[in-house]
Amino acid sequence: SQQGEEDPQALSIQEGENATMNCSYKTSINNLQWYRQNSGRGLVHLILIRSNEREKHSGRLRVTLDTSKKSSSLLITASRAADTASYFCATGTGTASKLTFGTGTRLQVTL
Amino acid sequence: DAGITQSPRHKVTETGTPVTLRCHQTENHRYMYWYRQDPGHGLRLIHYSYGVKDTDKGEVSDGYSVSRSKTEDFLLTLESATSSQTSVYFCAISSMGPRDGNEQFFGPGTRLTVL
Repeated sequence: SQQGEEDPQALSIQEGENATMNCSYKTSINNLQWYRQNSGRGLVHLILIRSNEREKHSGRLRVTLDTSKKSSSLLITASRAADTASYFCATGTGTASKLTFGTGTRLQVTL
Repeated sequence: DAGITQSPRHKVTETGTPVTLRCHQTENHRYMYWYRQDPGHGLRLIHYSYGVKDTDKGEVSDGYSVSRSKTEDFLLTLESATSSQTSVYFCAISSMGPRDGNEQFFGPGTRLTVL
């Protein structure tokens, strides 16, 4: 079963608005990562937050992590049409050398 | 795409035939992964490798095998393809395991159709 579940499954906003996506997971983690996937392409890493961190910024991206609620959020500020993509959270856990991905949020940014 | 190529990029095959997908990297990264992506399931790990000749199963490994005889190449074989293996397959690499917190770099994907 998926470790991470994103919410909402789909999101449509206008350019300039902020987009917030949430990720919930089930077990303890070492880190949580967010990836973007443009249609027909491979995934691209956006940002990583470790389990001992609560918030991280990278450009227009802001990620929060609440380990007590087993949840994370990705905020994209001042969205652009080029942000249209699917966004996935992925968790790294325990001693396993692998990531577990969620099912993704499809973001549509319209002009 | 961070020096990762996948071949073929598209393949159509028939049920029961063996199929091999190749992932090639020029980054000298230790870790390599094979995922499949299906609607409603996100990415699911098939197999991964943590070094030459060192591989392990992921969550959906049944019907698949892998081999890694060189650092740069990771092969995924469908021993006898079935229609349920129709999917988009992605290879990824990482210099460190996710436990250590490093990112994965993804290849462009292979679209496989099993008739």
